[in-house]
Amino acid sequence: GENVEQHPSTLSVQEGDSAVIKCTYSDSASNYFPWYKQELGKRPQLIIDIRSNVGEKKDQRIAVTLNKTAKHFSLHITETQPEDSAVYFCAASNLGTYKYIFGTGTRLKVLA
Amino acid sequence: NAGVTQTPKFQVLKTGQSMTLQCAQDMNHEYMSWYRQDPGMGLRLIHYSVGAGITDQGEVPNGYNVSRSTTEDFPLRLLSAAPSQTSVYFCASSSANRSPLHFGNGTRLTVT
Repeated sequence: GENVEQHPSTLSVQEGDSAVIKCTYSDSASNYFPWYKQELGKRPQLIIDIRSNVGEKKDQRIAVTLNKTAKHFSLHITETQPEDSAVYFCAASNLGTYKYIFGTGTRLKVLA
Repeated sequence: NAGVTQTPKFQVLKTGQSMTLQCAQDMNHEYMSWYRQDPGMGLRLIHYSVGAGITDQGEVPNGYNVSRSTTEDFPLRLLSAAPSQTSVYFCASSSANRSPLHFGNGTRLTVT
């Protein structure tokens, strides 16, 4: 079936360093790839997304890259800050079917 | 604009009891869905709906029922609760352009 693999499951970085989280999807019909941030006890919130007709998108310290051939997309956070500490989820969706398949999450810890 | 509202926030059930988790959205979103979140397993789709009167199964539908009588409401019913249904449940919705998903604040359910 359709699945999304996400790595690593945990990631610790020093404040100011960069963090990279990677996801691989199986359904070649996927055309929309959002990233969600979930703080402890809170709901997932969208931080950035990318559609399949774009290879890269950036929003301040956050960027997402997409390699459709390899079915691979990544989240890049630069100049990390303690408030970036959270669980991050990637997802893949075929917007024609409404279905979102989520990765298993990455717990990011930014050490001050 | 309240967004996606879930009630209750917390619930404890005994095995075999039934209950309904409520979800309402005021954004006129066509698409609504229910996810469960378990440690290390990300967000798994239980049921979803693409409009009033239309529902379909997700990855883990067993033990749950849904209905969509109005655009605004999408309740999730547990007919006979089991300890395996102990989880955090999130309702999410999206618009006709099918991106992005907006999540409610979640319901933490414990079945003893």
